Amino acid sequence: EAQVTQNPRYLITVTGKKLTVTCSQNMNHEYMSWYRQDPGLGLRQIYYSMNVEVTDKGDVPEGYKVSRKEKRNFPLILESPSPNQTSLYFCATWVSNEQFFGPGTRLTVL
Amino acid sequence: SQQGEEDPQALSIQEGENATMNCSYKTSINNLQWYRQNSGRGLVHLILIRSNEREKHSGRLRVTLDTSKKSSSLLITASRAADTASYFCATAPDYTGANSKLTFGKGITLSVRP
Repeated sequence: EAQVTQNPRYLITVTGKKLTVTCSQNMNHEYMSWYRQDPGLGLRQIYYSMNVEVTDKGDVPEGYKVSRKEKRNFPLILESPSPNQTSLYFCATWVSNEQFFGPGTRLTVL
Repeated sequence: SQQGEEDPQALSIQEGENATMNCSYKTSINNLQWYRQNSGRGLVHLILIRSNEREKHSGRLRVTLDTSKKSSSLLITASRAADTASYFCATAPDYTGANSKLTFGKGITLSVRP
């Protein structure tokens, strides 16, 4: 079954404690992306990747890092999380103009 | 900055009625897509319309695109309670690699009463 998986699904952490949200896809897609979703703001793109070792900033990249060492994985790294990064995060892949979304990771930073 | 802006923000209808949702955008696009999101879940792609198309159908969905007005509409016919969800339009800009910069609107909350 084609899918995008994210882990963890829920995370509560404290300010400054580094964390990584993993994203994995089994569709062999080249393109992957991270979004955050906040009430009243819709989805905003954080980073995207066109292929292995190729990443670029989206609209709200501050405070985030990504890596793309292999095609199937695209982890999102928060080196020093802050409360304004409390949000619902989605990983997505896409091919032929259609994006496939993961189930989401709800992050709370206290 | 938001490219797609949906209208209305919320819509409540009776089962069996049609639901019409609108999206306006600001700059030239390669294509416009509609997505659906059930509460707290990931988005699911519904339909895509390219800038050189005016209307597309998929099951109970009909989407139109008016590039002169920079607007699109999504019509769901004969709505069902299971159509209750948030609906987002997303635009891909008009350049190579466009889908890497898909920009989503804020979404429309549709409630279909049984």
